[in-house]
Amino acid sequence: QVQLVESGGGLVKPGGSLRLSCAASKFTFSDYYMGWIRQAPGKGLEWVSYISSSGRTIYYADSVKGRFTISRDNGKNSLYLQMNSLRAEDTAMYFCARDLPTPIIAAVGILDYWGPGTLVTVSS
Amino acid sequence: QSALTQPASVSGSPGQSITVSCTGTSSDVGGYNYVSWYQQHPGKAPKLIIYEVSYRPSGVSNRFSGSKSGNTASLTISGLQAEDEAHYYCSSYISSSTRVVFGGGTKLTVL
Repeated sequence: QVQLVESGGGLVKPGGSLRLSCAASKFTFSDYYMGWIRQAPGKGLEWVSYISSSGRTIYYADSVKGRFTISRDNGKNSLYLQMNSLRAEDTAMYFCARDLPTPIIAAVGILDYWGPGTLVTVSS
Repeated sequence: QSALTQPASVSGSPGQSITVSCTGTSSDVGGYNYVSWYQQHPGKAPKLIIYEVSYRPSGVSNRFSGSKSGNTASLTISGLQAEDEAHYYCSSYISSSTRVVFGGGTKLTVL
């Protein structure tokens, strides 16, 4: 069974940085687009970022563009999210998820497996 | 404000059917057949229950079905069961740098 496990969350001050990791197992990690999705406490889901299987194609939500960097290491079956210049509104549970490919367009938001999430709290 | 509009809540009795709507625009829901639906129980990660408007992943009950008309997608749950009580989110592909947009979520209460 596909497994995704996030880590690296915690309490950080506004303006600070944090690096999230997502360890993948039980599937061929290098074959899939991967993404980060977040959920503020008591709120809905917000797509954050996508990275292609090779790492060469990347997309970001406007709300994090220029502050967050997604990356991956296919040799370590790991996905990362470097978060800089953090703001209170970045406080959320961060989930990594696998994207189910479609024949025509890649990364269309079919997220078939999710990790349990890691909580990021930005507060002074 | 979420990009896709869902009712905040719906409710139904066991055995009944309910429908959750998800309204977007011609740039997302109306423009592509890449609407997905997710079920989320409290404290848990979302679970994919419908993709590409109407397809169910393996293992998802056939009580869940999806459809789309114009800019509005719909999730129907038939034969409501207590364990269906959860939040439901729609999402759609959008041809922009944003890539994916979610609805605000709908809380389903099984009476």
